[in-house]
Amino acid sequence: GESVGLHLPTLSVQEGDNSIINCAYSNSASDYFIWYKQESGKGPQFIIDIRSNMDKRQGQRVTVLLNKTVKHLSLQIAATQPGDSAVYFCAERGAAGNKLTFGGGTRVLVKP
Amino acid sequence: GAVVSQHPSWVICKSGTSVKIECRSLDFQATTMFWYRQFPKQSLMLMATSNEGSKATYEQGVEKDKFLINHASLTLSTLTVTSAHPEDSSFYICSARDNRGYEQYFGPGTRLTVT
Repeated sequence: GESVGLHLPTLSVQEGDNSIINCAYSNSASDYFIWYKQESGKGPQFIIDIRSNMDKRQGQRVTVLLNKTVKHLSLQIAATQPGDSAVYFCAERGAAGNKLTFGGGTRVLVKP
Repeated sequence: GAVVSQHPSWVICKSGTSVKIECRSLDFQATTMFWYRQFPKQSLMLMATSNEGSKATYEQGVEKDKFLINHASLTLSTLTVTSAHPEDSSFYICSARDNRGYEQYFGPGTRLTVT
């Protein structure tokens, strides 16, 4: 079945450094990928998305990379700040429909 | 824009009672809404897809008679947890897909505690 997984459950990063969060997906038919940030007790917050016809997309301090050959997705956060501390989820949507499948999540802890 | 609200934000109920959670898209119409459940330190698990004017589609292993979904308008979907048990205690999150495009927006979640 479809699955999206993450390699690292927790990432500790020094304030100001760059963070890289990785995600593997198994459904080669997925055409849309999203990164979400979730703070404690809150719903997921959209960060950035990418369609399968792209391999890179940049936002403000964030970059998403998509490697369809190895079915790998990553989120890069530049100059990580204390406010970036949260759990980050990748999600994928299959070409057939609406449903998002979420990965297991990575907790990012920013050390001052 | 693109705000999704949930009510209540938290609720405590006694075992055996039913609880209704509302999900509203405030500034857009959503034919399709989704209900997720999230246990502590775990990911979001899709429970069901709610479609306005038709029956919801439940994911495998989710009891439709226990988790009743009603999507009566383009801006409101409700999830009713019937005969709640302590193991139903969880964080319930809805999302709504904007009819104008691909985007799916999440609500702030509802914390349910069953005692």
